[in-house]
Amino acid sequence: GAGVSQSPSNKVTEKGKDVELRCDPISGHTALYWYRQRLGQGLEFLIYFQGNSAPDKSGLPSDRFSAERTGESVSTLTIQRTQQEDSAVYLCASSLRLGPGTDTQYFGPGTRLTVL
Amino acid sequence: AQSVTQPDIHITVSEGASLELRCNYSYGATPYLFWYVQSPGQGLQLLLKYFSGDTLVQGIKGFEAEFKRSQSSFNLRKPSVHWSDAAEYFCAVGASRGGGFKTIFGAGTRLFVKA
Repeated sequence: GAGVSQSPSNKVTEKGKDVELRCDPISGHTALYWYRQRLGQGLEFLIYFQGNSAPDKSGLPSDRFSAERTGESVSTLTIQRTQQEDSAVYLCASSLRLGPGTDTQYFGPGTRLTVL
Repeated sequence: AQSVTQPDIHITVSEGASLELRCNYSYGATPYLFWYVQSPGQGLQLLLKYFSGDTLVQGIKGFEAEFKRSQSSFNLRKPSVHWSDAAEYFCAVGASRGGGFKTIFGAGTRLFVKA
């Protein structure tokens, strides 16, 4: 596609439920990133993928968070047993490759998650 | 550890006035620096980036930023602000990590433009 897309755009869920957030990167981009943006705050790095591999998962806030990527394309971020503190906008970005010369990240519009 | 500080949570300038948004970083090696803009209801857009070479970097929408190693700063400037520039601005530093590359963002500065 022309840009990074994310779905759903909004998600309201009840505390304790599981949610899945989806990201479709720009075609041909091998690197994919997930960030969390809480209200009024900056972006918090969660995880990145190089291809289908995620070498650094240290940014995930807890073991309730997991992410996968298949076919060097779509990625899903799963939050299990959601808590109210998980409420945030989850942003996905992709770049052609990892590395400073090619790491111009293109961001999707985000998924706004609200946990009641 | 790498970090980015944007000292101003929000700034208000008059339309047509000049603008400078401050950014300080902490990184042990030569940093890769970025400025992004987030307009209301829109995603983040890259304004400019610095990897090496000329320390004065030109970006889109008339923005520029200057890398000053001695001050660990990468301040964003625009000579004449337009009302459409009202948005949130994020400074970021890119760092090598675990064989990969990670971007660390500052908390952002919200720009208000008054007529």
